Amino acid sequence: QKEVEQDPGPLSVPEGAIVSLNCTYSNSAFQYFMWYRQYSRKGPELLMYTYSSGNKEDGRFTAQVDKSSKYISLFIRDSQPSDSATYLCAMNPGTYKYIFGTGTRLKVLA
Amino acid sequence: EAEVAQSPRYKITEKSQAVAFWCDPISGHATLYWYRQILGQGPELLVQFQDESVVDDSQLPKDRFSAERLKGVDSTLKIQPAELGDSAMYLCASSWRGRNIDTQYFGPGTRLTVL
Repeated sequence: QKEVEQDPGPLSVPEGAIVSLNCTYSNSAFQYFMWYRQYSRKGPELLMYTYSSGNKEDGRFTAQVDKSSKYISLFIRDSQPSDSATYLCAMNPGTYKYIFGTGTRLKVLA
Repeated sequence: EAEVAQSPRYKITEKSQAVAFWCDPISGHATLYWYRQILGQGPELLVQFQDESVVDDSQLPKDRFSAERLKGVDSTLKIQPAELGDSAMYLCASSWRGRNIDTQYFGPGTRLTVL
């Protein structure tokens, strides 16, 4: 079993929809949780960074962490075609080493 | 805005040939990472440098891969000889001090195709 599980998609939604992207993990030592966005043939760029359980909001993006369920989510409100990308979750147990999910491909249809 | 630079962006080579990738981290970042990302998967750490020293190269296939960061600034990752299974995106990232709270910033990557 992988330490971090993420549905690869693809996930297709109409423009304006609320998107929910999720990761589950098995290592209860994970403390820091990140969401990266990766456009085709580009490097990942950091979207959100959270430390504790709860919600963190930044514009149209909300990151949610539930440590008791070992489950993290990224919500995108009012999705736009420019949000079409692969979304990678990443986490670390308090060391330098990030463990990435496989990424979920999202397509927002105009 | 400061960025991580990588070159080349694309490389096509034949198996058994040698290839090299270059990375220039964000100025002032002490920690540099090389990742490999196979299509459809997340990045996997190959090697981490703190200044010029290797901190972790446990996942680096040392029989064919080598990495150096001689002056603690830019870095080179080399593969010799390249194999078909090495086809992937090679990503460089940097962070300020490599602490768990330091964000890793990624470069655009080098896409390697081995024929």
